[in-house]
Amino acid sequence: NAGVTQTPKFRILKIGQSMTLQCTQDMNHNYMYWYRQDPGMGLKLIYYSVGAGITDKGEVPNGYNVSRSTTEDFPLRLELAAPSQTSVYFCASSYSSGGLFYEQYFGPGTRLTVT
Amino acid sequence: AQKVTQAQTEISVVEKEDVTLDCVYETRDTTYYLFWYKQPPSGELVFLIRRNSFDEQNEISGRYSWNFQKSTSSFNFTITASQVVDSAVYFCAHSSGNTGKLIFGQGTTLQVKP
Repeated sequence: NAGVTQTPKFRILKIGQSMTLQCTQDMNHNYMYWYRQDPGMGLKLIYYSVGAGITDKGEVPNGYNVSRSTTEDFPLRLELAAPSQTSVYFCASSYSSGGLFYEQYFGPGTRLTVT
Repeated sequence: AQKVTQAQTEISVVEKEDVTLDCVYETRDTTYYLFWYKQPPSGELVFLIRRNSFDEQNEISGRYSWNFQKSTSSFNFTITASQVVDSAVYFCAHSSGNTGKLIFGQGTTLQVKP
């Protein structure tokens, strides 16, 4: 299993440009998440999905969009990039069984700089 | 609202010392989960442990141990005989409800000096 994969690893954007961060998991997990990590801080939830076709906002959704057309893929779209979106982005997935939730598996992260 | 507080921003110890990382959480839910993750200098997030709110047993895994106390809303992490490879940022996190969303603390940076 590759686990959770993210592309690209690094990206520099100019203000106003747009891009899509890709995330794929091969563990057949229903739940997927996007977090951002600013320097010296913990991770904050941007968007999440509880299954294909179902997404919802997290704590810091402004400036982002997501879609979940398949169980495996959960891309994050940045529209009109701003310097405040300079951060490290992590995608994660997890599963639930018997009403219990289990740990999230994280991708390696995408380091994004907006200048 | 849920909240996780890691009051220790940075800790520095000498190799072989024991060190405890504190985590205090706030929640109104009776069913919830607590986690610890390690983020080494390479940047990835490594899962260490998960605890259910209804399981207050402490856990030991090699040099790592965790103390979960609902009475004080704490889930502390102790590394015994620390090693240089333990140098990392450690995050405590909480989730509840039916989405699995994680609320992270701000992290504790542990530096273990040789």
